[in-house]
Amino acid sequence: DIQMTQSPSSLSASIGDKVTISCRASQSISTYLNWYQQRPGEAPKLLIYSASNLQSGVPSRFGGSGSGTDFTLTISNLQPEDFASYSCQQSFNPPWTFGQGTKLEIK
Amino acid sequence: QLQESGPGLVTPSETLSLTCTVSGVSISDDSSYWAWIRQPPGKGLEWIGLSLNSGSTDYNSSLKSRVTISVNTSKNHFSLRLSSVTAADTAVYYCARMKHGVLILLGSRFDIWGQGIQVTVSS
Repeated sequence: DIQMTQSPSSLSASIGDKVTISCRASQSISTYLNWYQQRPGEAPKLLIYSASNLQSGVPSRFGGSGSGTDFTLTISNLQPEDFASYSCQQSFNPPWTFGQGTKLEIK
Repeated sequence: QLQESGPGLVTPSETLSLTCTVSGVSISDDSSYWAWIRQPPGKGLEWIGLSLNSGSTDYNSSLKSRVTISVNTSKNHFSLRLSSVTAADTAVYYCARMKHGVLILLGSRFDIWGQGIQVTVSS
């Protein structure tokens, strides 16, 4: 199975800041990497697919990059609704595996 | 959209049964598969399995011996059965649509999710 490792597991930031979250795969997955946002009590939401493609309706302050084994989710100009948990997921080979999640908290 | 339903409490060694009702899209859509995913407390998301086209399925090998996913096209819903449950199966269970990628499974993504249902295994 492909292991997905996210860092950091949590981080604190302020409104208006720019943050980056990293995701590393245990083997090369090309650009087959998705990012999701989870707010407490809500359904997970797809943000980015295939490493850098913004899902329809997602604000442009969200961006993704990377290929091979190393990927990054960047959130610019943090808004109050962005404080949530974020997870990466590989779509290269089943079983489809997720990172353990990164919790973004307000400073 | 997607909505999970079923009991929130299951007795150890019994079978967990959940249903996901799909609205706004046909469960027979050629560009979609249907998935169950769970999240144990304090842990990451875990893919359980998929319903593919024509009644075929694909399961996570870690759960394969206990999982059954089935689709009812007339009711536009799909279901999960997980047998011989233990406390380790306590989790929030989500249903989701897997949208096909560039080569169907390759590059796919879970683009629509249900709200999730908390299932606790306890006597």
